[in-house]
Amino acid sequence: GAGVSQSPRYKVAKRGQDVALRCDPISGHVSLFWYQQALGQGPEFLTYFQNEAQLDKSGLPSDRFFAERPEGSVSTLKIQRTQQEDSAVYLCASSLIPGTVYEQYFGPGTRLTVT
Amino acid sequence: KQEVTQIPAALSVPEGENLVLNCSFTDSAIYNLQWFRQDPGKGLTSLLLIQSSQREQTSGRLNASLDKSSGRSTLYIAASQPGDSATYLCAVRHMDTGRRALTFGSGTRLQVQP
Repeated sequence: GAGVSQSPRYKVAKRGQDVALRCDPISGHVSLFWYQQALGQGPEFLTYFQNEAQLDKSGLPSDRFFAERPEGSVSTLKIQRTQQEDSAVYLCASSLIPGTVYEQYFGPGTRLTVT
Repeated sequence: KQEVTQIPAALSVPEGENLVLNCSFTDSAIYNLQWFRQDPGKGLTSLLLIQSSQREQTSGRLNASLDKSSGRSTLYIAASQPGDSATYLCAVRHMDTGRRALTFGSGTRLQVQP
């Protein structure tokens, strides 16, 4: 079946612009995660949804970052007034069952470059 | 705060060698540990997942071990091939069900020379 998809795959934004990154999780997956991966580093957690509820946003680096999943499927990560330090790959992951034994499946990521 | 360290940061080996990648974590209260592979410009592919009650998992030429009490895991790759060239990441999930996110290491970049 189809995996996790993300769009766009690449985004170049001028400093100060707003951007929106989209994630389509695997159908039926309850949990959805956003991670940020800087060059040469491992991914770092940003936020977590269980269905439409955002249960953990402790990893969002500033109030310029906002995520939503209004119908419990597709999610959007929005970054307002982008800064150069926001340049990174943004990864989305989904999993079927929250809480117990589960595996996260990752999308290909969106590479954001802020100039 | 959980910290995950991977050693070495980069590794270059000739084809056919057996090799070991190391991962250590500071908080042993983990639920499970996963090893991922990441190819340039691609997402993460899960290789092996070890539950905290398990000691090892095997898939083909890959074997991952877990020593939770000492905070260590190793990924053993047998008879390496050029197609194994990628970045290998380990990640742990905390036992606290309120902390579902994975904590990743910085990865080991592996180059297998033909």
